[in-house]
Amino acid sequence: QVQLQESGPGLVRPSQTLSLSCTVSGASISSGGYYWTWIRQHPGKGLEWIGYIYYSGSTYYNPSLKSRLTISVDTSKNQFSLKLSSVTAADTAVYYCARGDSTPQDSWFDPWGQGTLVTVSS
Amino acid sequence: QSVLTQPPSVSGAPGQRVTISCTGSSSNIGAGYDVHWYQQLPGTAPKLLIYGNSNRPSGVPARFSGSKSGTSASLAITGLQAEDEADYYCQSYDSSLSGSLFGGGTKLTVL
Repeated sequence: QVQLQESGPGLVRPSQTLSLSCTVSGASISSGGYYWTWIRQHPGKGLEWIGYIYYSGSTYYNPSLKSRLTISVDTSKNQFSLKLSSVTAADTAVYYCARGDSTPQDSWFDPWGQGTLVTVSS
Repeated sequence: QSVLTQPPSVSGAPGQRVTISCTGSSSNIGAGYDVHWYQQLPGTAPKLLIYGNSNRPSGVPARFSGSKSGTSASLAITGLQAEDEADYYCQSYDSSLSGSLFGGGTKLTVL
């Protein structure tokens, strides 16, 4: 059974960099075939796709976040990570990691991590 | 603003059938990209409900079904149960975004 678990600081200061990791268990990222994904949900709002990465390092980013976003993968740790720079209060959200199946153009997300709330505040 | 449009809310009595629509455009659903559906119970992570327009993952009851036509897709829930009360999201790929896109979500209330 594949499981994903997010980790990282719950509080980030404005203008700093938000950094999260997602540890995958029950499957190997380096096996390929899946797109490892970050999704966020602002408080009381809907879901926003952030981006995904393939085990080879190929990335696909939401254009609205692209200038501030880096998604990377560490196959030795079976983890992938998100870095979002120059954060503001608008980046306060629950951040989820998920496994994307199929191709980037037809990808669905399953399973999901439990999510981690990141608050941007001084 | 989502370019996959869902009704903010729907409701139904136990045992009834409800549908949730997801309206897109020629750059997403209308371009032939698949639609997927998720259920988010209060305080939990979303869960995959339907993938590839109409396929149910193992463990999802047959009461849930999906369809797609033109620039729209629908999720149908028959035999409504109290435990179905949740938020439902559609998702597809958008060629203008060059990435995945979610609908704004629909809150289902079981009366």
